[in-house]
Amino acid sequence: QQQVKQSPQSLIVQKGGISIINCAYENTAFDYFPWYQQFPGKGPALLIAIRPDVSEKKEGRFTISFNKSAKQFSLHIMDSQPGDSATYFCAASTTGGYNKLIFGAGTRLAVHP
Amino acid sequence: ETGVTQSPTHLIKTRGQQVTLRCSSQSGHNTVSWYQQALGQGPQFIFQYYREEENGRGNFPPRFSGLQFPNYSSELNVNALELDDSALYLCASSTPGANTEAFFGQGTRLTVV
Repeated sequence: QQQVKQSPQSLIVQKGGISIINCAYENTAFDYFPWYQQFPGKGPALLIAIRPDVSEKKEGRFTISFNKSAKQFSLHIMDSQPGDSATYFCAASTTGGYNKLIFGAGTRLAVHP
Repeated sequence: ETGVTQSPTHLIKTRGQQVTLRCSSQSGHNTVSWYQQALGQGPQFIFQYYREEENGRGNFPPRFSGLQFPNYSSELNVNALELDDSALYLCASSTPGANTEAFFGQGTRLTVV
């Protein structure tokens, strides 16, 4: 119930292409879904987050699509750049308690020039 | 870069020893969470401290303990180290309340030999 499943494990995209990473969850009490970006040797950094009252949120080249009925959400990176090469984590948490994030296993993205 | 700093950055310990990791939270943040990130995995929640008290705990044994000080900095202590404790330990600070943005430090890489 607490698990967040993320796919794919790794992704190779050409520069300028679209990177798509998917996550699925079981716990319907989750109501906050952030995406984090992590570079080697660094801690995760918040990219973008969504709450289930909207189906899509866009910030620059990054878009979250959210499907509440399917309990799935995805990250789209448009016009992918080599500088986007990093590991991406989806996460989920619930209101009504402490700010405990449940992370997916991560997707290692490589954007080739 | 976030304002969350962790020390030390790397540490090697022998099985059975004890270790203390330290975290200084971002200015204005009085909530600190600790996560364990095994190689190739997403971070896993250990516990959270708010106003110097443990405010929630993940599925970690009691040999993982912590402290928060009046200046909101925090320590993670691990007793009786096991080989499986080898991981990146991340500290995240946030303002109180659910689903507020968590800012991560760069982590402490612990190796148990």
